[in-house]
Amino acid sequence: KQEVTQIPAALSVPEGENLVLNCSFTDSAIYNLQWFRQDPGKGLTSLLLIQSSQREQTSGRLNASLDKSSGRSTLYIAASQPGDSATYLCAVRSSGNTGKLIFGQGTTLQVKP
Amino acid sequence: GAGVSQSPRYKVAKRGQDVALRCDPISGHVSLFWYQQALGQGPEFLTYFQNEAQLDKSGLPSDRFFAERPEGSVSTLKIQRTQQEDSAVYLCASTRRIAGVYNEQFFGPGTRLTVL
Repeated sequence: KQEVTQIPAALSVPEGENLVLNCSFTDSAIYNLQWFRQDPGKGLTSLLLIQSSQREQTSGRLNASLDKSSGRSTLYIAASQPGDSATYLCAVRSSGNTGKLIFGQGTTLQVKP
Repeated sequence: GAGVSQSPRYKVAKRGQDVALRCDPISGHVSLFWYQQALGQGPEFLTYFQNEAQLDKSGLPSDRFFAERPEGSVSTLKIQRTQQEDSAVYLCASTRRIAGVYNEQFFGPGTRLTVL
């Protein structure tokens, strides 16, 4: 059974700092991994999707990497801003299922001005 | 707008009442998913539709939960005889094609259900 873990559960950093969020999964047989952002009381906004054949994806100040063999992904945020404060969720789509995503519990990020 | 929409955004129900939650996926998206998100947790899969066919309902927590998508577009998640443990945010997501390898899921804003 696929399990997804995110560390740390919460993180507080000063504005301008670069930071890394971690995601690990137990079954390396995945099709893709998706990073989401969730603001309080809101739905999920997709940030990056990494296919199993890819090593990383970049969008603006965000860079996500995938090491499928070790069951790890990282989300790197450069030059953090207060507007980056939110909960970040990673989710994997495992092979052999109908496309459902298995989520971690999220990392809640606070960027202080 | 072109995104996934859900209604109502908030629902308060007395224990024992039936509720119906609606999801309008992105036009043309054949795959639709429902997830349940408890407070402070990541979303958990409930059920999946490909067009009007419900292909996976393994995540539905009890037979009080029922979902349908009769015309392959709008979907409704129904919860009968609601219990306090049903209180959560219910999220709907859709993807452009049949759930293949390379599809990104787009989520709606969710319906926050509170059962008193």
